[in-house]
Amino acid sequence: SQQGEEDPQALSIQEGENATMNCSYKTSINNLQWYRQNSGRGLVHLILIRSNEREKHSRRLRVTLDTSKKSSSLLITASRAADTASYFCATDLNSGYSTLTFGKGTMLLVSP
Amino acid sequence: NAGVTQTPKFQVLKTGQSMTLQCAQDMNHEYMSWYRQDPGMGLRLIHYSVGAGITDQGEVPNGYNVSRSTTEDFPLRLLSAAPSQTSVYFCASSYRALDTQYFGPGTRLTVL
Repeated sequence: SQQGEEDPQALSIQEGENATMNCSYKTSINNLQWYRQNSGRGLVHLILIRSNEREKHSRRLRVTLDTSKKSSSLLITASRAADTASYFCATDLNSGYSTLTFGKGTMLLVSP
Repeated sequence: NAGVTQTPKFQVLKTGQSMTLQCAQDMNHEYMSWYRQDPGMGLRLIHYSVGAGITDQGEVPNGYNVSRSTTEDFPLRLLSAAPSQTSVYFCASSYRALDTQYFGPGTRLTVL
């Protein structure tokens, strides 16, 4: 079963708008990561947030983590057409297992 | 650094054939893993390795074998290809299991 699930499955916005996607997970974690995948390519790491952190920023990205609600959000500000991609969250299980579990992703389309 | 490389980029097999997907990294990463990506299913972990000589099963290991004789290489073997193994395969590596994952460009496999 999926540890992390992104929401929405698909998101369509105009350039310049903000894009927000969410990730919910089921069990406690050590950290949560967000990745981007351009069509036909490998995944690229965006940001890692640890369980004791509540918010992190990286350029136009803002990630929040709410461990009480077992959820995270990724905000992309001032979206560009080049942000069109699928976005995935990945979580560990904080149970000694050495693996990450990826969600099914949010497909973001940014129109010029 | 070349990062994570995968060969071949594309492959077509007939049912019952065997083949090896190659993965190599030049970042001296201890942790390597194989995922498959199917439409609507996200990434699912096949096998992973926490160091040379150590491998373990992921979520969907049936029909696949791995070995890790060196730090750099982590080949994935399909023993007897089946149409259900038609997918895009990604190799990833990281310093430690739950760190930032570096993905290869993927191998698109079709089994007829």
